[in-house]
Amino acid sequence: DAKTTQPPSMDCAEGRAANLPCNHSTISGNEYVYWYRQIHSQGPQYIIHGLKNNETNEMASLIITEDRKSSTLILPHATLRDTAVYYCIVKKEYGNKLVFGAGTILRVKS
Amino acid sequence: DSGVTQTPKHLITATGQRVTLRCSPRSGDLSVYWYQQSLDQGLQFLIQYYNGEERAKGNILERFSAQQFPDLHSELNLSSLELGDSALYFCASSVKANTEAFFGQGTRLTVV
Repeated sequence: DAKTTQPPSMDCAEGRAANLPCNHSTISGNEYVYWYRQIHSQGPQYIIHGLKNNETNEMASLIITEDRKSSTLILPHATLRDTAVYYCIVKKEYGNKLVFGAGTILRVKS
Repeated sequence: DSGVTQTPKHLITATGQRVTLRCSPRSGDLSVYWYQQSLDQGLQFLIQYYNGEERAKGNILERFSAQQFPDLHSELNLSSLELGDSALYFCASSVKANTEAFFGQGTRLTVV
């Protein structure tokens, strides 16, 4: 599975959009981009995933560049409860495991 | 609530002992994964089962073993426990290997 690079931490004002970047320059054609988050030692929570098209669900939007070498997770209106560690993971379609890196600590501030 | 249930939530035991952690996957999910999260190692994949059979192995110690039963619940057995085994142990489940996995709230194991 391709390696990902994320900034160690980011701050965001409450009510504003949080844009979390992820680089995955060695991603291959059959690998998906997944995003999970972990709020203070709780179990990781699935957010969204995509292959090459932009995706949106009730939690977030995922924007993947045309060359698929990077992506951005967008939380449109961040709240204090979105403070968490966000993990960007690249996984083969039929890959068996999620490989978690260090992630990005997102702090939402009032 | 992810639908994945792990018991117990907390466990304190002594070095050298053996413990069993239990996981009930979401209804209909055939695949179960076990992860370990310690302060210095982050989230580490241990092992995966799919419909009762071992599918993939990560950095799981020989002192650790797991199984998935016919009713699809899974157990992670940790033996000859050491202080360094103190960690959060998470179970996750998914319908198939290529679908998103949902995590339980974990078991916090403390070895004293």
